[in-house]
Amino acid sequence: QAVVTQEPSLTVSPGGTVTLTCASNTGAVTSSHLAYWFQQKPGQAPRTLIYDVINKHSWTPARFSGSLLGDKAALTLSGAQTEDEADYYCMLLYGGARVFGGGTKLTVL
Amino acid sequence: EAQLVESGGGLVQPGGSLRLSCVASGFNPNTCWMDWIRQAPGKGLEWVASINEDGRGTYYADSVKGRFTISRDSAKNSLSLQMNSLRAEDTAVYYCASEYTCGHWGQGARVTVSS
Repeated sequence: QAVVTQEPSLTVSPGGTVTLTCASNTGAVTSSHLAYWFQQKPGQAPRTLIYDVINKHSWTPARFSGSLLGDKAALTLSGAQTEDEADYYCMLLYGGARVFGGGTKLTVL
Repeated sequence: EAQLVESGGGLVQPGGSLRLSCVASGFNPNTCWMDWIRQAPGKGLEWVASINEDGRGTYYADSVKGRFTISRDSAKNSLSLQMNSLRAEDTAVYYCASEYTCGHWGQGARVTVSS
């Protein structure tokens, strides 16, 4: 089974920009992995921010964006707010299987 | 308001069975793949199983293959997970979630496997 890797933790200043990445041990992350990004705050269910690499839902704040960056999927937060402090998970699709990354704990400080 | 609501969680002994259900409202889940995803206490998210739009394609994590069965009822806008031969390591909060353009998650159902 594939292994998906994320930064364990990152810190960003309020108003700052930070990029979270998502790597696959099987090689470069491509559009075929249909990368997803989820946000989870303490005590809450996750919510989907990004699907299929770049697509946002109606509830996704405009300051979040998804992309492919080199051989990884990436989630960029531009203009961080204190309410963005949370755990962020990526998920990649390998045919019918899905694999989550270990999550990135984002601190806004 | 679009939502997914899970039910059926609880305490079960090792080797026992449990059936989780998830009902969608406020959107049409039948246009999207649906998933069961779990989170053990203090841990990250783990994919459990997925089912395609028409219910004919099902996929499972190796950790649950042969023990869990995912199914959906399009007429009832519902998703189910039949869990057999439960183990202590299956203890987690189980979320149903919809993929792609749907994007909704339930609030989770807690499953505890313990004697």
